[in-house]
Amino acid sequence: GAVVSQHPSWVICKSGTSVKIECRSLDFQATTMFWYRQFPKQSLMLMATSNEGSKATYEQGVEKDKFLINHASLTLSTLTVTSAHPEDSSFYICSARARTASYEQYFGPGTRLTVT
Amino acid sequence: QKEVEQNSGPLSVPEGAIASLNCTYSDRGSQSFFWYRQYSGKSPELIMSIYSNGDKEDGRFTAQLNKASQYVSLLIRDSQPSDSATYLCAVKNYGQNFVFGPGTRLSVLP
Repeated sequence: GAVVSQHPSWVICKSGTSVKIECRSLDFQATTMFWYRQFPKQSLMLMATSNEGSKATYEQGVEKDKFLINHASLTLSTLTVTSAHPEDSSFYICSARARTASYEQYFGPGTRLTVT
Repeated sequence: QKEVEQNSGPLSVPEGAIASLNCTYSDRGSQSFFWYRQYSGKSPELIMSIYSNGDKEDGRFTAQLNKASQYVSLLIRDSQPSDSATYLCAVKNYGQNFVFGPGTRLSVLP
């Protein structure tokens, strides 16, 4: 149990275009989903937290108009990188937290974005 | 600023030895503690969670928590080359998000 999927697993796009990444909890309802970014050899950086039906809460320094997050249901959250630039190239990972008291987070497999 | 600290490593141990990974945290109100393993190029996977002081064992893994010392550790017995990865410590206080440490890179030498 506790499987989180992400799609696509990797994407290459041209500078100035937008890219949408989907995150799904496959076998549980996720009250909260998290979006992280990880640059090579660096730790996870939390970008935003989203609760189903609510606006996402962005971490300091993350542009909410550039990284659009939609948590449409208890099993789906999307991250759209708008007007992507080469510096947005990174490994984007979502995680989901179930409706339990354990607070455990389960990570998706990640999406590697390359902006040319 | 709530912080979670880990030795970045690399920590090198021979195959079959015990690997000891340490993590300290600054938020004394933290209540939930997690260890994740991350292979290069992959996303983190949950290994252990611990909520109470003492030891918690799961197979070759033992998590140890000492809230008074604000210290959590992960022991890996009979280390295998496949255990070579970065291990992330995560700490959570009630109503707040996870705070991840920078990770410790473990290398198990055959």
